[in-house]
Amino acid sequence: GENVEQHPSTLSVQEGDSAVIKCTYSDSASNYFPWYKQELGKRPQLIIDIRSNVGEKKDQRIAVTLNKTAKHFSLHITETQPEDSAVYFCAASSASTSYDKVIFGPGTSLSVIP
Amino acid sequence: GAVVSQHPSWVICKSGTSVKIECRSLDFQATTMFWYRQFPKQSLMLMATSNEGSKATYEQGVEKDKFLINHASLTLSTLTVTSAHPEDSSFYICSARAGTRSYNEQFFGPGTRLTVL
Repeated sequence: GENVEQHPSTLSVQEGDSAVIKCTYSDSASNYFPWYKQELGKRPQLIIDIRSNVGEKKDQRIAVTLNKTAKHFSLHITETQPEDSAVYFCAASSASTSYDKVIFGPGTSLSVIP
Repeated sequence: GAVVSQHPSWVICKSGTSVKIECRSLDFQATTMFWYRQFPKQSLMLMATSNEGSKATYEQGVEKDKFLINHASLTLSTLTVTSAHPEDSSFYICSARAGTRSYNEQFFGPGTRLTVL
């Protein structure tokens, strides 16, 4: 089955700086890679996603890149703000014959220091 | 986005009792629902996937007789933790998806905090 690794586990940046979180996946058949933000005690929220037929996607301050050959994908947050502080999870789909399921990475706790 | 609710939001029970958690998609029909467990400061671990009208598919290591899942309709799935013990204490989150493919966005419920005494 799919295995997703994520680094770093914790990340602290100054407000205004950029933050980068990197993930790798094991199943070459995975074709969908969402990123979630989870604040303490709350549900995960989808912030951006990318499909395997695209190498990069951007939405305002957030961008995701995908390298299918290396099975790497990364989240880039520019001009970080204190409200970006949260736990971020990368995930990868694990396709099967009847339905797909999403497997989460271990998470990165991001702290943005004012 | 679509709305998924969970009930109860928190529950405290005695060891040995059973607890039922409901997950509802309020404004869409959920072909597939997922149940996750999240321990403090850890990731979401997929427990099982349920499709309406069929048996749930459990992930490796998850006891199907302990975590009973029923997906009775396109808007309701339930997770019953049978004979709960303190080690079952966790945050249980469901998600619902209107489609079978990953690119059909899945929407998460607010979670249920289970504490077993």
